[in-house]
Amino acid sequence: DVKVTQSSRYLVKRTGEKVFLECVQDMDHENMFWYRQDPGLGLRLIYFSYDVKMKEKGDIPEGYSVSREKKERFSLILESASTNQTSMYLCASSFGGASQPQHFGDGTRLSIL
Amino acid sequence: DQQVKQNSPSLSVQEGRISILNCDYTNSMFDYFLWYKKYPAEGPTFLISISSIKDKNEDGRFTVFLNKSAKHLSLHIVPSQPGDSAVYFCAASETLPGNQFYFGTGTSLTVIP
Repeated sequence: DVKVTQSSRYLVKRTGEKVFLECVQDMDHENMFWYRQDPGLGLRLIYFSYDVKMKEKGDIPEGYSVSREKKERFSLILESASTNQTSMYLCASSFGGASQPQHFGDGTRLSIL
Repeated sequence: DQQVKQNSPSLSVQEGRISILNCDYTNSMFDYFLWYKKYPAEGPTFLISISSIKDKNEDGRFTVFLNKSAKHLSLHIVPSQPGDSAVYFCAASETLPGNQFYFGTGTSLTVIP
């Protein structure tokens, strides 16, 4: 079974802090993704990566950056956290190539106070 | 602009009856479609997929139908069980590097015992 592990289930931070969300997958997947889920808005893609050290902006990259130094690890960084970044953050991974389902971690519920 | 839409935020069905969840998309280049199921406090889990070369795919109690001319897909669950109560997301992608998916906003299904 695919295992996508997010480092924290719940996280509380303060406005202006730099926040790191970590994600590790154990299936040697080429692609990794960060989404946020908000009520009524579904899953929105923040960033994705299809190879080590590669990154692509998704639909809502503003205020975020990412790092992928190793194939199995994809980090999401909130450079200066703001209250509108309070959300559920979901990491996913998939094999490269077309028509591959993404496999998700259990999410990090992040609250910015 | 939402490329994948789920117009019903919620659906209630009696146990044993059929559940039909609907999804519409606007991008005619989408060629791979999936359904995910999400329980509270867990990440989405992959349920079933269909490629654009097919119009139906079946897996046990779950069947996905694709109508390309109408840009519409649906998920049928027969018979519905209380354990099926969850939020269901549809997602679509086109064959591009990175395997990016576009998600709908979700439909919350409640199966009443």
